[in-house]
Amino acid sequence: EIVLTQSPATLSVSPGERGTLSCRASQSVYSNLAWYQQRPGQAPRLLIYGASKRATGIPARFSGSGYGTDFTLTISSLQSEDFAVYHCQQYDDNPTFGGGTKVEIK
Amino acid sequence: EVQLVQSGGGLIQPGGSLRLSCAVSGFTVSDNYMAWVRQAPGGGLQYVSVIYNDGDSHFADSVKGRFTISRDNSKNTIYLQMNSLRVEDTAVYFCARDHSTGRYDYWGQGTLVTVSS
Repeated sequence: EIVLTQSPATLSVSPGERGTLSCRASQSVYSNLAWYQQRPGQAPRLLIYGASKRATGIPARFSGSGYGTDFTLTISSLQSEDFAVYHCQQYDDNPTFGGGTKVEIK
Repeated sequence: EVQLVQSGGGLIQPGGSLRLSCAVSGFTVSDNYMAWVRQAPGGGLQYVSVIYNDGDSHFADSVKGRFTISRDNSKNTIYLQMNSLRVEDTAVYFCARDHSTGRYDYWGQGTLVTVSS
C-alpha cells in the first residue's frame, strides 16, 4: 500500500497570505495525485488532479505541483472560505489518502 | 445538475448488516466507475470499494468478503451491502464518481454508520 504523509498537520495562516501544503508518497506515484478540500460537515471537493490540473470551477489561487514522491498544494491568497481540511490522494495504485492538513485562521 | 443522494446508515450492532444507497442524477452510473469512500470520526479518508462500468468490482482488503457493491441501472443507483459489521467500520460513508483514473469528482453528502453494542 502506498502511504501518503501530509505536512504540516495544521497550518495557521492569516487571510490574504499564502499557504503551502505538502504531500509525500512512500513510492513514486508519477503524476497520479489529487487534492481535495473538505469543509466541516461536508463531502470532499476535488481541487487538483494529475498533480497540477485544476478541476472544473476551481479558482486560480489554487495550484498544485510535484512529481514522483513530493507534491505541493499552494493557495496563493487565502480567502475565508479556504479555511478547511485538505487531503491528498494517490491513484497510481489502489487509492490511498493522506492524513490531511487543517488550514486554520491565524 | 449532478446530484448524488445517499440513504441508509444508522446504528447497528457488531455482526449486523446494513445497506447504503446512492441515487444519482445528471449522469448514468452504468457508464461510469462508482466508488465508496469512508471517513472514521475525526479521521482521514479511506477507499472502500469501486464498481466499474463493466460491472466488475474491487474492494479494500479491510472489507473484502464482508461488503458487496452493486447497481440498479433502472434506478441509476448504486448500493453498498455491508455484512458482518465491526466496530472499526464506524464511519461516514460517501459515494463518489470515480473518473476512471481514480480521482473522485462528484460526491454524495455522506451517511453515518455507527457499529456499537
